Amino acid sequence: KAGVTQTPRYLIKTRGQQVTLSCSPISGHRSVSWYQQTPGQGLQFLFEYFSETQRNKGNFPGRFSGRQFSNSRSEMNVSTLELGDSALYLCASSWDRGYEQYFGPGTRLTVT
Amino acid sequence: DAKTTQPNSMESNEEEPVHLPCNHSTISGTDYIHWYRQLPSQGPEYVIHGLTSNVNNRMASLAIAEDRKSSTLILHRATLRDAAVYYCILRAPFNAGGTSYGKLTFGQGTILTVHP
Repeated sequence: KAGVTQTPRYLIKTRGQQVTLSCSPISGHRSVSWYQQTPGQGLQFLFEYFSETQRNKGNFPGRFSGRQFSNSRSEMNVSTLELGDSALYLCASSWDRGYEQYFGPGTRLTVT
Repeated sequence: DAKTTQPNSMESNEEEPVHLPCNHSTISGTDYIHWYRQLPSQGPEYVIHGLTSNVNNRMASLAIAEDRKSSTLILHRATLRDAAVYYCILRAPFNAGGTSYGKLTFGQGTILTVHP
């Protein structure tokens, strides 16, 4: 089975721009969660999607949003980028809610 | 979410066993104990989980204290590839209700260094 894939792997954006990151879960997995990883804050939960609905959200501003499609693929969007949004964004999928999560390699976002 | 406490770092020699401790004194009766690890430049990787009984899989063993207030991840023979940050995480069971079980709450984890 192919693992979780994330595109793009690297991205450089300018402050004020917006960005969309994509995640393809493992085939058959229905839950997708997103995390942000920075050296200062570590791994922080952004949100979780299941059956095209956001089920849980972390403590991030409304500039961070996401969605899930009927094939379980997910996208996250960050609008009005700030320097502090520079981070590794990780997507994880699981067969169902509460089961072990399988992570992708992440998208490294740099905001200049 | 109930919190876990892990040592910041540990060191081991290759081919020796490694015992990674985790304290979770506020664990609820239904929380599962999960372990993930993150190798350099990779996303986290699921290792093992358990509720009350000790668990074994191809990667590791999980020993859970009788009172469930602590647990230990055991790597039976460390290899250089096991050098990673190890995270101990508590998770509510799937059928517990509420909204938190799609979320993993990562602490700082334990940085494991393996010497050749």
